Amino acid sequence: GENVEQHPSTLSVQEGDSAVIKCTYSDSASNYFPWYKQELGKRPQLIIDIRSNVGEKKDQRIAVTLNKTAKHFSLHITETQPEDSAVYFCAARGTGNQFYFGTGTSLTVIP
Amino acid sequence: DTEVTQTPKHLVMGMTNKKSLKCEQHMGHRAMYWYKQKAKKPPELMFVYSYEKLSINESVPSRFSPECPNSSLLNLHLHALQPEDSALYLCASSPFGTVNTEAFFGQGTRLTVV
Repeated sequence: GENVEQHPSTLSVQEGDSAVIKCTYSDSASNYFPWYKQELGKRPQLIIDIRSNVGEKKDQRIAVTLNKTAKHFSLHITETQPEDSAVYFCAARGTGNQFYFGTGTSLTVIP
Repeated sequence: DTEVTQTPKHLVMGMTNKKSLKCEQHMGHRAMYWYKQKAKKPPELMFVYSYEKLSINESVPSRFSPECPNSSLLNLHLHALQPEDSALYLCASSPFGTVNTEAFFGQGTRLTVV
């Protein structure tokens, strides 16, 4: 099955700085890559996604890039705010309709 | 309705008990999932149902038994669980096929096995 690796596992940034989280995947047939934010005790919620035929997507302070050849994708958060503090998971959707998650990044934004 | 609803929110059960987790969605999604999530870990795929048929079983022990009685409902039957099965159980759904959209998650059932 798909193997998704995610780095770093923890990340602390000063408010206003940028945060970058990187993921790699193993199955070249994976074709869709969502990013989820999970706050303590809550469900994972989609923050941005990218399809395999797109190299970059941006939504306000959040952007995602995809390099299909290298099989890696990254999340970029600019102008971070304390409310961005959460655990972030990347995921890859396989051909069997299943979603496999990366190991997660605990982001702390220091006011 | 863009919600995935799970019941109960919390469940405490003994190792000899039988219980069921329930999940419901009315978004017309034909793929439904069960995930298990331990503290500080990612969601771990257990089962995938596609058009009400079990399509993926990630080598889950038989003490977990999924059921999809119709296109809106997904159950997870629990029997003879172990304390290490204590976790947050998340249900999710998504459209099936070539449309690439995310999985929508329910709020989860926090299960404690005593």
